[in-house]
Amino acid sequence: EPEVTQTPSHQVTQMGQEVILRCVPISNHLYFYWYRQILGQKVEFLVSFYNNEISEKSEIFDDQFSVERPDGSNFTLKIRSTKLEDSAMYFCASSPFTEAFFGQGTRLTVV
Amino acid sequence: DQQVKQNSPSLSVQEGRISILNCDYTNSMFDYFLWYKKYPAEGPTFLISISSIKDKNEDGRFTVFLNKSAKHLSLHIVPSQPGDSAVYFCAASPAGVGGAQKLVFGQGTRLTINP
Repeated sequence: EPEVTQTPSHQVTQMGQEVILRCVPISNHLYFYWYRQILGQKVEFLVSFYNNEISEKSEIFDDQFSVERPDGSNFTLKIRSTKLEDSAMYFCASSPFTEAFFGQGTRLTVV
Repeated sequence: DQQVKQNSPSLSVQEGRISILNCDYTNSMFDYFLWYKKYPAEGPTFLISISSIKDKNEDGRFTVFLNKSAKHLSLHIVPSQPGDSAVYFCAASPAGVGGAQKLVFGQGTRLTINP
């Protein structure tokens, strides 16, 4: 069964460093997303991406964040200068239309 | 911002019985609703969805009911099995043209199925 894959599964980074979280969405899906879940909190929407551009972004997704689909298969989330409060599970998801299918997540720890 | 609420943080059910998980929403613009199941250290797994034009959708042991006037939905699992033990998230998507609609999640309900 096709699935969304994310790498790495766990990333530890120093505050102020740049991180890139990688995702390979399901191949025939058209819509791509990033969500995050801070420990003990809800899963929160960050950004949606369609047709090589951002469709919608939340207020969390400020200038420190960017997304890219550098080739036909990868979808990346970059955080330019990480802060302690960026520590969370980051989930990539893809969708053929309405139901989003999630990857297993990347645990980002900022120290 | 509590647009989607799951008021029960946990629920314990005997194996073989029915599990009923509840979800309330406040935003009338939501028109598509989904349930996800999540195990620790894994991503949410899609279970079942329902459009606002329906009031019931069934898939095997899982049935979702939608009451638009009450802005309430529920997930029924029958019969409950030990493998159903997980955190269940309700999510809602606003109306809009095309896909790429963001999901707004509830806080989750931890379901424990007891043998």
